[in-house]
Amino acid sequence: AQSVSQHNHHVILSEAASLELGCNYSYGGTVNLFWYVQYPGQHLQLLLKYFSGDPLVKGIKGFEAEFIKSKFSFNLRKPSVQWSDTAEYFCAVIFNNAGNMLTFGGGTRLMVKP
Amino acid sequence: GAGVSQSPSNKVTEKGKDVELRCDPISGHTALYWYRQRLGQGLEFLIYFQGNSAPDKSGLPSDRFSAERTGESVSTLTIQRTQQEDSAVYLCASSLFTGWDYGYTFGSGTRLTVV
Repeated sequence: AQSVSQHNHHVILSEAASLELGCNYSYGGTVNLFWYVQYPGQHLQLLLKYFSGDPLVKGIKGFEAEFIKSKFSFNLRKPSVQWSDTAEYFCAVIFNNAGNMLTFGGGTRLMVKP
Repeated sequence: GAGVSQSPSNKVTEKGKDVELRCDPISGHTALYWYRQRLGQGLEFLIYFQGNSAPDKSGLPSDRFSAERTGESVSTLTIQRTQQEDSAVYLCASSLFTGWDYGYTFGSGTRLTVV
């Protein structure tokens, strides 16, 4: 069955450190890829998405993600994190045999120490 | 409205009681989705609506769960005879259409606690 995996459940970084959160999916067909963020007490917000074209996608707040099809990965990166990036990050995938249903990874809780 | 609205924001109920959770999608959004987020876990798909019909109910965890949508707007998720394992945040999202390239907008969720 198709699935989405986020291997880092908790990440703690100091401000200005670089961030990379892993996301892998299991499916050989076409996918649409998303990263969502949930700040404490707030609703899920879209950070960035990939549908086609350039596999390096830039999103809001300095985040970017790279789709590597051969690795079934869509890792999220930010060169220099801020305390305000403390949040939970969810990778999500639409598999092309699943209508418009988003399948989410388990999430990664990021804490940035000031 | 400007966003997806869910009510109540918090609900505490006794085991065995029925609860109704409401979702008001963005006006004009034909697709509506319900997800569940248990503590420490990712989002779990429950059901989606295209208009008033629900083509995919595969995610509903048991027959105690049901959902309806009327008038291509408000949706209600009903949980009968609640159990402690139903405790979770229930999230609703809507999108303009069900095509892949239409993004979801999520509501703030209803936090359900079954005691």
